[in-house]
Amino acid sequence: DIVMTQTPLSLSVTPGQPASISCRSSQSLLHSDGKTYLYWYLQKPGQSPQLLIYEVSNRFPGVPDRFSGSGSGTYFTLRISRVEAEDVGIYYCMQSTQPTFDFGQGTKLEMK
Amino acid sequence: EVQLVQSGTEVQKPGESLKISCKGSGYNFPNYWIAWVRQMPGRGLEWMGIIYPGDSDTRYRPSFQGQVTISADKSINTAYLQWRSLRASDTAIYFCARVRYYYDSAGYNRPRYFDRWGQGTLVTVSS
Repeated sequence: DIVMTQTPLSLSVTPGQPASISCRSSQSLLHSDGKTYLYWYLQKPGQSPQLLIYEVSNRFPGVPDRFSGSGSGTYFTLRISRVEAEDVGIYYCMQSTQPTFDFGQGTKLEMK
Repeated sequence: EVQLVQSGTEVQKPGESLKISCKGSGYNFPNYWIAWVRQMPGRGLEWMGIIYPGDSDTRYRPSFQGQVTISADKSINTAYLQWRSLRASDTAIYFCARVRYYYDSAGYNRPRYFDRWGQGTLVTVSS
């Protein structure tokens, strides 16, 4: 399995301020087809996870443009330009470059 | 609208068997993989396995192989997760999710990500 390591594990942010979460993989996520299969999910309190970003930097339909993703190889970042109250929850990165689905341990975002 | 509706909360005793379900609607159910994901109390997400209802092709995470059985009935748009003998350590929320896929250069269907999720089924195993 690929090990996905997120930092920080928790984040306390003032509304309107930016936030950033990092995800590092134990192996490169660049596939032989040229794509990088790295995704970001948000699990709001008491809810199922929801897809935010697919293939590193593409926002899923309906996801606000304050969310953005970047990175390559083994290092990836999710950024929220201006955090809103509805953004609280646990953020997970996930890889599927290898024929498994491996999640990071999660980063809990709270409001200050 | 794409929906995945899971069966309700279960409370079982160790050693008992259990089968939970996930019914899809609003899309061509046989033509999309369904994944099962475990979330133990206070823990993160862990992929268990996937099934392609169209031909029942099933793949397991090695740590779950032999511990659970994933199946599907495409005639009623439903996928299942089954245990023969539950343990206390099976206590968790179990999510099903629809899996988007791509075709590779050789024409093989490659599952890639979960785009829609069920609401989760809480399974509690306690004597």
